[in-house]
Amino acid sequence: EDQVTQSPEALRLQEGESSSLNCSYTVSGLRGLFWYRQDPGKGPEFLFTLYSAGEEKEKERLKATLTKKESFLHITAPKPEDSATYLCAVQANGAGSYQLTFGKGTKLSVIP
Amino acid sequence: DAGITQSPRHKVTETGTPVTLRCHQTENHRYMYWYRQDPGHGLRLIHYSYGVKDTDKGEVSDGYSVSRSKTEDFLLTLESATSSQTSVYFCAISAGTGQETQYFGPGTRLLVL
Repeated sequence: EDQVTQSPEALRLQEGESSSLNCSYTVSGLRGLFWYRQDPGKGPEFLFTLYSAGEEKEKERLKATLTKKESFLHITAPKPEDSATYLCAVQANGAGSYQLTFGKGTKLSVIP
Repeated sequence: DAGITQSPRHKVTETGTPVTLRCHQTENHRYMYWYRQDPGHGLRLIHYSYGVKDTDKGEVSDGYSVSRSKTEDFLLTLESATSSQTSVYFCAISAGTGQETQYFGPGTRLLVL
């Protein structure tokens, strides 16, 4: 059974204080690992897809990295508008493997 | 929201009543999905569709049915709503083979009293 564990559950940062969110996963052959951002009362917003160990992707103050067992979302010099819940999900390889298995998320609060 | 609308956005209903939620997309994507999101759980797949009239069950399908008569619309029905179905429901779409990125709608908040 595919599993995704995100840590910490919640993180409070001062504006400008860089940190990382962790996503540990077990999956029967990884097709892709996905990061989403979710604001209160809204649907998840796609950020990144990572496909293989060693891959990195960046967008503004966010950088996602992937190993064979975990992914990190690095936040550099965060701003209050980066406050949100960040979701990690995995998709397994194979025909018919449409399901995304999500973690419970990390709630990030950036204090001015 | 990637050309996805959901209706209604909020609904309060009573136990035992039927409820239908609608997802509408303007992207002409082949794959559509229904998820539910509950505190203490990640998003969980209820049902998905890989074409008109082609649907299949997800992880938490008991008590739910779906229909897709047009590419753009995917309906989720609770035949007889229960309090355990109080949740936020999200529709998602993806292109191609179904293993591309899934894009989510704004959600429907359902309260079953």
